[in-house]
Amino acid sequence: SQQGEEDPQALSIQEGENATMNCSYKTSINNLQWYRQNSGRGLVHLILIRSNEREKHSGRLRVTLDTSKKSSSLLITASRAADTASYFCATEPGAGSYQLTFGKGTKLSVIP
Amino acid sequence: DGGITQSPKYLFRKEGQNVTLSCEQNLNHDAMYWYRQDPGQGLRLIYYSQIVNDFQKGDIAEGYSVSREKKESFPLTVTSAQKNPTAFYLCASSTGLTTGELFFGEGSRLTVL
Repeated sequence: SQQGEEDPQALSIQEGENATMNCSYKTSINNLQWYRQNSGRGLVHLILIRSNEREKHSGRLRVTLDTSKKSSSLLITASRAADTASYFCATEPGAGSYQLTFGKGTKLSVIP
Repeated sequence: DGGITQSPKYLFRKEGQNVTLSCEQNLNHDAMYWYRQDPGQGLRLIYYSQIVNDFQKGDIAEGYSVSREKKESFPLTVTSAQKNPTAFYLCASSTGLTTGELFFGEGSRLTVL
């Protein structure tokens, strides 16, 4: 079952602009994670935010979590062509269930 | 360097044949996972293992089998019972089932001819 749903499905921006991707989910979570996947490659973990956190930063990445709205956003600032990839959110449910559930991803294209 | 190695990267199979995908990790992780990814889709969990000699079915286990005889290794067999096996298969590991972050291999792309 897929819980996280990313929005938009695809996003195209110019280099230097900011990119914002959103993720909505349906049930309570322990944490929410964002991963990046370059075409034809494995996924790489970017950031994890726990259910009691509201915002987290890592370099040019900023993640927010709103548990009341069951949503999260990933902001990439000052985007670069190398940021071109698909970005997935993954939720770890609470209540003893530990299976990560991935969304379908947002495909980001950064145009030089 | 520590990491997860999947092989082969590309594999072609005729209908009716079983095929085994290899996954080896040297991260000393207890938990290992197999995911399937179809074009434009997210990842779906096939099987996972928390400890040697123990594994559990994920959401789409039908037509697949696994073994966990060693901590480092978690091979996946795609059997002839899997109706639509053409996909990108990803192996991952984590320090434990509740730890959060997954480390992924580079994937194996299986095409059934």
